[in-house]
Parts: sequence; C-alpha cells; structure tokens
Amino acid sequence: AQTVTQSQPEMSVQEAETVTLSCTYDTSENNYYLFWYKQPPSRQMILVIRQEAYKQQNATENRFSVNFQKAAKSFSLKISDSQLGDTAMYFCAFMKYASGSRLTFGEGTQLTVNP
Amino acid sequence: GAVVSQHPSWVICKSGTSVKIECRSLDFQATTMFWYRQFPKQSLMLMATSNEGSKATYEQGVEKDKFLINHASLTLSTLTVTSAHPEDSSFYICSAGEGGRTGEAFFGQGTRLTVV
Repeated sequence: AQTVTQSQPEMSVQEAETVTLSCTYDTSENNYYLFWYKQPPSRQMILVIRQEAYKQQNATENRFSVNFQKAAKSFSLKISDSQLGDTAMYFCAFMKYASGSRLTFGEGTQLTVNP
Repeated sequence: GAVVSQHPSWVICKSGTSVKIECRSLDFQATTMFWYRQFPKQSLMLMATSNEGSKATYEQGVEKDKFLINHASLTLSTLTVTSAHPEDSSFYICSAGEGGRTGEAFFGQGTRLTVV
C-alpha cells in the first residue's frame, strides 16, 4: 500500500513571495505518478502539476514547480510570485501506473496568501 | 481536459431516506470511476472503485449496503446513500480517468450531503 504524508497542516505567505509545500510518500512501486491538486473554497479539485516517476526532470507549470527526489521519496511544490488566488487547500497525491486513475492523497496543506 | 459532471451539488434529506448522487463523464468513456468522501478540513478518502458492468470494490471499513454503487454505462456511475443518518453528512466527490496514458484523474464538482 502507498502512503502520502504532508507534514504542514497550514502555511501562509505574503503576496508575491515564494512558498514551498512539502510532501513525502512511501511505495514499493517503481512506476507511478505524483500530483499536486488545489482545492479552493468552491471545493472543486484542480490539478496543479504532475510528475511521472521515470522522468528525472522536475515538472514546471508557470509559477508552480516541483522538486522530485525519487530516492528520498520526496515531492515538494514551490509556488513563486504567490497570488491571492493561490489561497486554497493543497493535496499531494500518488497514483500507481495502470490503476485507472486511483489516487492516494496526503492530509493536505492549507495555504493562505496574505496581501 | 476531460469533464466530469456530478449532480446534485448539494442535497438535504431526512434521516432514514435514501439519496442518489450521479457522476457522469461528459466527453470520454470511463470504465472505472472512484468515489471519495471528504470531511471538513480533511483529506479525500477513497470509498470505492466503481467498475462498469461489474460490482464495485469497496475500501475497508466502507459499508457496501449503506453506499450502493452502480456503474451501468461507460459514462455514468451512481452512489446511493441508503437509510441516511446524520453521520453520513459529508462531501462526496467522484473522479474518473481516461486510462493509463496520462494518468490524470478528472473530478466532479462534489456533492454536499446534509442529513437532518
């Protein structure tokens, strides 16, 4: 079984600054995906960024980037130039290859961006 | 990206009644869909895997007779909360994927269930 751990229940950052959210996971699988999802107050799950485990290069999506350390089983999310609209709950998630898109989520980190 | 539509967005029902929640993949076929439950300020917990044309697979601790899942077509899965009680009040979310190519899951908007 897989486990995902987010050790920061809450974080805050000033607008325009950079913040990093932590995530570690445990698995015996070699092929998998890792994701960061954002859940704003509307509670709609929004995909922020995806990383395929076989790719060594860290994924980036505009202001969002990850630091994927496969050996350490670490997958942190960096948000640059934080905006008020980034305020949300952020979930780290694990997906095994060929699992039909079944996700295991971390506990979540509530990020607040302050003006 | 693909679209998953969940209905209703919110529902209030009386104790003892049943409530059905629908999850539809609008522009792709989904042989597998997933149902999650989320309590306030907590994470999403997988309840069950809905398999088109066969029985759902329930996670440990989830009562299959309480949470009935039907996946009769490649675009529709339903979750029925039977004989609802206040402790069943929660946020329920479905998801589906297009298959293993991208690995991405697409989520419905969620349903807030309140049992009074």
